[in-house]
Amino acid sequence: KAGVTQTPRYLIKTRGQQVTLSCSPISGHRSVSWYQQTPGQGLQFLFEYFSETQRNKGNFPGRFSGRQFSNSRSEMNVSTLELGDSALYLCATSIDIGNTIYFGEGSWLTVV
Amino acid sequence: AQSVTQLDSQVPVFEEAPVELRCNYSSSVSVYLFWYVQYPNQGLQLLLKYLSGSTLVKGINGFEAEFNKSQTSFHLRKPSVHISDTAEYFCAVSDRGNFNKFYFGSGTKLNVKP
Repeated sequence: KAGVTQTPRYLIKTRGQQVTLSCSPISGHRSVSWYQQTPGQGLQFLFEYFSETQRNKGNFPGRFSGRQFSNSRSEMNVSTLELGDSALYLCATSIDIGNTIYFGEGSWLTVV
Repeated sequence: AQSVTQLDSQVPVFEEAPVELRCNYSSSVSVYLFWYVQYPNQGLQLLLKYLSGSTLVKGINGFEAEFNKSQTSFHLRKPSVHISDTAEYFCAVSDRGNFNKFYFGSGTKLNVKP
């Protein structure tokens, strides 16, 4: 059974640019959450999508956005990149509430 | 809102010795508790979870944890560690209204020495 797939795995962007990260969940999983992991702030919840609707969100500025498609694949977008956005972005998926959550290997974003 | 404290940022231990990784949480509502492990350059893997019922939870790779409501703790234990257990361990909490929204601790790096 295929796991959670995140693309791209590594990318380098320049300040002011925007970036889009993709997450393909395990087949049958309809909930997709995103987390940012940095050495200073640790793991922080960005948002969760379920059936194409944002069901929950964390405390991040509006530059961080996401969406979910009808096939449950999700994308997150960060606009006007700042140096502090350099992080590992993790996607986590599950069937629904109460089910085990599986994490992808993440997308490493470096902003220069 | 919930918060999680992992007091030990690093725990060195010799192979075959027992280990305990500490986790304390703060919440005004009933919580669900989780331990995840992260190997270098990888995502997080679920070790075990407490949703309800027995306070002693057994997970994969010989790990177990005990939920203590009065002390608001969920410490992770293993009676005998292996070199392959070297990784970073994260404690996380969520609640009934926001099950898929995890609050993570800052992590504990377990370094198993031969």
